[in-house]
Amino acid sequence: DAMVIQNPRYQVTQFGKPVTLSCSQTLNHNVMYWYQQKSSQAPKLLFHYYDKDFNNEADTPDNFQSRRPNTSFCFLDIRSPGLGDAAMYLCATSRDLVERRFLYEQYFGPGTRLTVT
Amino acid sequence: DQQVKQNSPSLSVQEGRISILNCDYTNSMFDYFLWYKKYPAEGPTFLISISSIKDKNEDGRFTVFLNKSAKHLSLHIVPSQPGDSAVYFCAASAGAGGTSYGKLTFGQGTILTVHP
Repeated sequence: DAMVIQNPRYQVTQFGKPVTLSCSQTLNHNVMYWYQQKSSQAPKLLFHYYDKDFNNEADTPDNFQSRRPNTSFCFLDIRSPGLGDAAMYLCATSRDLVERRFLYEQYFGPGTRLTVT
Repeated sequence: DQQVKQNSPSLSVQEGRISILNCDYTNSMFDYFLWYKKYPAEGPTFLISISSIKDKNEDGRFTVFLNKSAKHLSLHIVPSQPGDSAVYFCAASAGAGGTSYGKLTFGQGTILTVHP
């Protein structure tokens, strides 16, 4: 089945220790997104890739970086995690087709829960 | 500044009855609205959507209503089933022509529990 896969599902890191979360997709979608969701809050878009073009949201901290080496994979790097970065991180994909609605019907992975100690 | 709000954190409904989940928004530029459903340990999955040119969209047991003047949308599930128990997220987009990505603004979610 075509899907969005996130590894690991749970990640524990130490305060200030760099961490990388990964996302892969078998849907061949050209747009990939990273969201941060804190407990009982709405998912918040951090950035997205349209093919290889990277787009940062204005309020995404510099501490967060991303890489997309090819269509299938996308990585979220947190350079110096703080306690406030503990959250669920969701990866999503969508297609860019003539009908705009396909951009909004996003396919999500199960998420990686990040704990910072 | 929360532009999409789901004011009810939870809703409990008896099997077979109607579930009504509500969502309010403040940004008048939003023109496309979606509902996502999320089961524990899974990512959100797309459920149903509506464009601002419509006031109703129906898909099986699920109907979304949009009231633009009130900046309010609702999701009706009839009849509700225990398998519908999940977190429901409302999302909105203010996509302008030519955008190449689907920026969604999500609400906080409503936990729906359907009792047998």
